[in-house]
Amino acid sequence: KNQVEQSPQSLIILEGKNCTLQCNYTVSPFSNLRWYKQDTGRGPVSLTIMTFSENTKSNGRYTATLDADTKQSSLHITASQLSDSASYICVVSSGGSQGNLIFGKGTKLSVKP
Amino acid sequence: EADIYQTPRYLVIGTGKKITLECSQTMGHDKMYWYQQDPGMELHLIHYSYGVNSTEKGDLSSESTVSRIRTEHFPLTLESARPSHTSQYLCASRMHDYGYTFGSGTRLTVV
Repeated sequence: KNQVEQSPQSLIILEGKNCTLQCNYTVSPFSNLRWYKQDTGRGPVSLTIMTFSENTKSNGRYTATLDADTKQSSLHITASQLSDSASYICVVSSGGSQGNLIFGKGTKLSVKP
Repeated sequence: EADIYQTPRYLVIGTGKKITLECSQTMGHDKMYWYQQDPGMELHLIHYSYGVNSTEKGDLSSESTVSRIRTEHFPLTLESARPSHTSQYLCASRMHDYGYTFGSGTRLTVV
């Protein structure tokens, strides 16, 4: 069964600190892995997209890594800001015209002053 | 920067009412999707469309229906709303595998 597991479920950090969110997946076939940021009551917004051959991708203070051998990904947030408070969702695509996106439940990040 | 629009953002409605959730995109994307998301849970695909006059059911069974008469418009209809339909509904569109864009969602409450 295709699954995406994220940890931790929730995380509280102080403003300015770094944090790393984890994503493990069992999805086949694999097309790409994305990280989304979802503010409360809003739709997800794409942060990074990585294919099988990409190990790391950055978007400002966000850096995602992918280990396709162990089927693990991480999202590292540097110098956190209050506006980083949101749910971060790991999504794996198995490709195809249907889209076949498999969503994780997300990690709820709270950044405190 | 969202080029995909959902209305209404919030809706509280009584049991048994018919409702239509609107979704429009201005990007000319062929493929459009409806997802359902309960609080703290993952998104589940309920409907998708490859283009005009194409609609398919997704992985999660839903009593809703959709139509795709125009490329830019993908409305979702519930003929008779029930409390079990209370959820957030997210519309998305894409041109290729990379370019998913999500709307802001409609939070539906059926009382």
